[in-house]
Amino acid sequence: EDQVTQSPEALRLQEGESSSLNCSYTVSGLRGLFWYRQDPGKGPEFLFTLYSAGEEKEKERLKATLTKKESFLHITAPKPEDSATYLCAVQARGTEYGNKLVFGAGTILRVKS
Amino acid sequence: GAGVSQSPSNKVTEKGKDVELRCDPISGHTALYWYRQSLGQGLEFLIYFQGNSAPDKSGLPSDRFSAERTGGSVSTLTIQRTQQEDSAVYLCASSLESEQYFGPGTRLTVT
Repeated sequence: EDQVTQSPEALRLQEGESSSLNCSYTVSGLRGLFWYRQDPGKGPEFLFTLYSAGEEKEKERLKATLTKKESFLHITAPKPEDSATYLCAVQARGTEYGNKLVFGAGTILRVKS
Repeated sequence: GAGVSQSPSNKVTEKGKDVELRCDPISGHTALYWYRQSLGQGLEFLIYFQGNSAPDKSGLPSDRFSAERTGGSVSTLTIQRTQQEDSAVYLCASSLESEQYFGPGTRLTVT
């Protein structure tokens, strides 16, 4: 069974204090790993897709990396507006339907000024 | 461009009543998904439509749940005889390739 575990459950940072969020996964064959941001009362907002180990993607203060067992979301010099829940999800390859996402429970990030 | 829209945004219903939730996907997206997000739980897959293929219903929690997609566009998720454990945020997403784009969700409260 495909599984995604995110850590920590919650993270409090001071503005400018860089850190990383972890996403560990087990999947029968990885088609893609996805990062989303979710603000309270809203739907998840797509951030990145990673397809193979060693791949990296960046967007503003965020950088996502992927290995064969885990992904990291690095946040450099965060600002209060980066506060949100960050969700990681995997999509398996080779299943009959193949396109559903399996999500982790998320990491709640709070950045204080 | 317009994103995924869902209606209603909030729905309060009495236990035992039927409810219908609606999703309008992004124009041109061939795939449509329903997920459920319960308090303290991650997003849980419910059902997936791809073009004219038979839907993947493997995530539906019981036979009280059903969904249809008309004309390859709008989708309706129906929950019959609602129970308190059905209270959650129901999220719809659509995609053209691998990235799924989510709507704002419908918050369902069963009293």
